[in-house]
Formats: sequence, C-alpha cells, structure tokens
Amino acid sequence: NAGVTQTPKFQVLKTGQSMTLQCAQDMNHNSMYWYRQDPGMGLRLIYYSASEGTTDKGEVPNGYNVSRLNKREFSLRLESAAPSQTSVYFCASQTGQGAYEQYFGPGTRLTVT
Amino acid sequence: RKEVEQDPGPFNVPEGATVAFNCTYSNSASQSFFWYRQDCRKEPKLLMSVYSSGNEDGRFTAQLNRASQYISLLIRDSKLSDSATYLCVVNTGFQKLVFGTGTRLLVSP
Repeated sequence: NAGVTQTPKFQVLKTGQSMTLQCAQDMNHNSMYWYRQDPGMGLRLIYYSASEGTTDKGEVPNGYNVSRLNKREFSLRLESAAPSQTSVYFCASQTGQGAYEQYFGPGTRLTVT
Repeated sequence: RKEVEQDPGPFNVPEGATVAFNCTYSNSASQSFFWYRQDCRKEPKLLMSVYSSGNEDGRFTAQLNRASQYISLLIRDSKLSDSATYLCVVNTGFQKLVFGTGTRLLVSP
C-alpha cells in the first residue's frame, strides 16, 4: 500500500521555467491538498480539491495552478518559476467524510535559481 | 494573532524524562485537533487525533481544553527516537487544516 506518492523528489529550475509536480493516492480519499513548507513558516495551503472535479484556493495560491485529473491524482503546476517558490512541496489526502486526518506524501524539494 | 501557536523550542530532555508541549488556537469553532510528528527533511506523520477532551496512546497523551483553547501533548519515558518536531494541527472547517510551526524536541542519552 503506497499511500501518497509524489514525483519528482528533487528539482532545480531556472527562473521563468515551468514544471508540474505530480501526486497520487491509493487510499480512495475524496480530498487532496498541496502545501508548501518554508523554514519558520510552517505548512501553508496552496490549493485543495475537496472532491473530484473541484479545486479551491488556499492561503498562498499565487503563481500556481492545479488539476484534479481523477480521484487518485492531483497535480500542481508552476507556470513561470520564481526564486520565492523555492520550498518543499507536500501533497496530502483526506477521506473527506467526517474524518479530517490528512496523510502526506514524501515531498518535493524545489530550488529555483 | 496566529491561528495556531506553539513554542518553537527546542526542548532538550534526557532519555526517560517526561515532557509536555502546549499549543493554543484562536478559532473557538474548531472541532478537531491533531498532533503530527515531523522528522528532519521528511513528511509530517499523524501521531494522534484529539476529538474529545483527550486521547492516550501508549506513552503519548493529548489533552484538549476548549474553554482556554489549548491542546497539550505529554510524552512519558522519552526515547531517543522521539527526537523530532511536533506539529499542532487544528481543523477550522471546510475540510482544511491549519498547522502550527512546530515544537522541536531533542532527547539525549
């Protein structure tokens, strides 16, 4: 049982480049989330998808787009990377049926130069 | 005021000690609460859920005080392997969680 998987694990981009971070879960969860974690800031919500076919902005959505491809997959896209987007990105999933525990993927470490 | 506040620590304790962390939250409508553990450069992992006044799991006890809006985590008989950052997490509704910045624990031999 893989839980939540993320690819890639590490990525270095130049300013202005684009990339997509992939996330998949095999727990049949309804809700999925993208967070970023920066030193001293804690986890901040970028976007979330409460159910297949819906997406909503979180606390820090600027510079990102998301796609809920199906119930299993939720991708995060950086259209034009900026150094301020250097961070660790975590994907998480939640059953969304009255239980609010979230389960996290291993993260993607992104550096934008 | 931050929605979830924690003392960043670090808390330095010897093996076998008992240590407690507190966390305060600002939204009185919050209904569910969690403690997550995060090891260096790893993802957060669920340690305990706190849905009522408290919860106990082995050496770990979480308590909730709704009147004062704080949650505590007590670790008894600390192990070296308990060294990590402990995140206080609050569900504020709309299926979203708010994470504290974490309390760092260092257990020494």
